[in-house]
Amino acid sequence: GQNIDQPTEMTATEGAIVQINCTYQTSGFNGLFWYQQHAGEAPTFLSYNVLDGLEEKGRFSSFLSRSKGYSYLLLKELQMKDSASYLCAVRDSNYQLIWGAGTKLIIKP
Amino acid sequence: IAGITQAPTSQILAAGRRMTLRCTQDMRHNAMYWYRQDLGLGLRLIHYSNTAGTTGKGEVPDGYSVSRANTDDFPLTLASAVPSQTSVYFCASSDEAGSTDTQYFGPGTRLTVL
Repeated sequence: GQNIDQPTEMTATEGAIVQINCTYQTSGFNGLFWYQQHAGEAPTFLSYNVLDGLEEKGRFSSFLSRSKGYSYLLLKELQMKDSASYLCAVRDSNYQLIWGAGTKLIIKP
Repeated sequence: IAGITQAPTSQILAAGRRMTLRCTQDMRHNAMYWYRQDLGLGLRLIHYSNTAGTTGKGEVPDGYSVSRANTDDFPLTLASAVPSQTSVYFCASSDEAGSTDTQYFGPGTRLTVL
């Protein structure tokens, strides 16, 4: 079966750095997405990786290793507004997105 | 309208009743999707449409139907609601432009079936 694994919850301190990991086992791979979802709101697109390596976008970076079935989202200079759930999703061979359950990130002052 | 809208925002429904969740996008995206989101689970695809006039089944299609008469609208119908359909429903669309084909989400409909 297809599977996306992420930690359920993480806690970090304002101003610090946090890394959220995602491992996947899917039938085919056509890209990996990270979304942010604040409580009670819709998911919003953060990043996309299809080739191995690091994609940097401001305070957020996303890394992909296709051979290891692994990605991480790195958040720097954490702000209270970064408290949210972070969803990892992989596009499979049928071009459908398979979603992880999300990682709830709690930021403490 | 800007982006994707969904209606209603929330609804409480008696079991056995018929319900249609509405979704409209103004971005002229070809592809549209319906997901449900339940606590502790990832988003699960119910139905999708790659272009107007076509639809396909996702991971959890039973008990739901969709139609795609035009590019902008993609309603989801529950023919006879059951309590297990209590969930938050998100509609999404994607532009298929370039290689990313990013999905953009509506604000969601919170449905409770009693």
